[in-house]
Amino acid sequence: AQKITQTQPGMFVQEKEAVTLDCTYDTSDPSYGLFWYKQPSSGEMIFLIYQGSYDQQNATEGRYSLNFQKARKSANLVISASQLGDSAMYFCAMRALGNEKLTFGTGTRLTIIP
Amino acid sequence: DADVTQTPRNRITKTGKRIMLECSQTKGHDRMYWYRQDPGLGLRLIYYSFDVKDINKGEISDGYSVSRQAQAKFSLSLESAIPNQTALYFCATSDLVGRTVANTGELFFGEGSRLTVL
Repeated sequence: AQKITQTQPGMFVQEKEAVTLDCTYDTSDPSYGLFWYKQPSSGEMIFLIYQGSYDQQNATEGRYSLNFQKARKSANLVISASQLGDSAMYFCAMRALGNEKLTFGTGTRLTIIP
Repeated sequence: DADVTQTPRNRITKTGKRIMLECSQTKGHDRMYWYRQDPGLGLRLIYYSFDVKDINKGEISDGYSVSRQAQAKFSLSLESAIPNQTALYFCATSDLVGRTVANTGELFFGEGSRLTVL
């Protein structure tokens, strides 16, 4: 079974600061993928970034990067130079190889303060 | 137009009524999913389908049924709605992992259907 844990229900961050959203996972599968999604107040789910368990380097997409620590089973999302538009719910999710369903964490609500 | 379209976007109904949420997609994906989102619980999988003849239960399928009418259409039914089925429902699609090098199996979501059962 797969499990995703997001321990931060809510975070407040000053605009232009970097922010780290925590995600730990539990799986017995040797091969898996990790995802982050953003859900703004309008409700849609926006894919941000993906990390494969065998990828040698941490994934980056613009201001988003994934701090992947395989031994610790963590996949934290780092947002650099935060903007007001980053205020949203953020969900971490994972998929094991051969199991194409995504399992989601409970989310972190990020609020950027001007 | 959205690649994954859900109807209705909002619905208020009464306990005991039958409700159908519909999902259609233009992405050409074989895999379709229904999730529900509740505050503090994240997204939980209700049902999923990997092709027209394949239907599978997710972690919270009790009280729900689905129909895969075509590759592009996947509907979710609540035969007799109850208040604790009040939630935001998402349809999603994905492509076969590994079909292309770039495909990670990410989900493409519809805009959500907010259901309130009184």
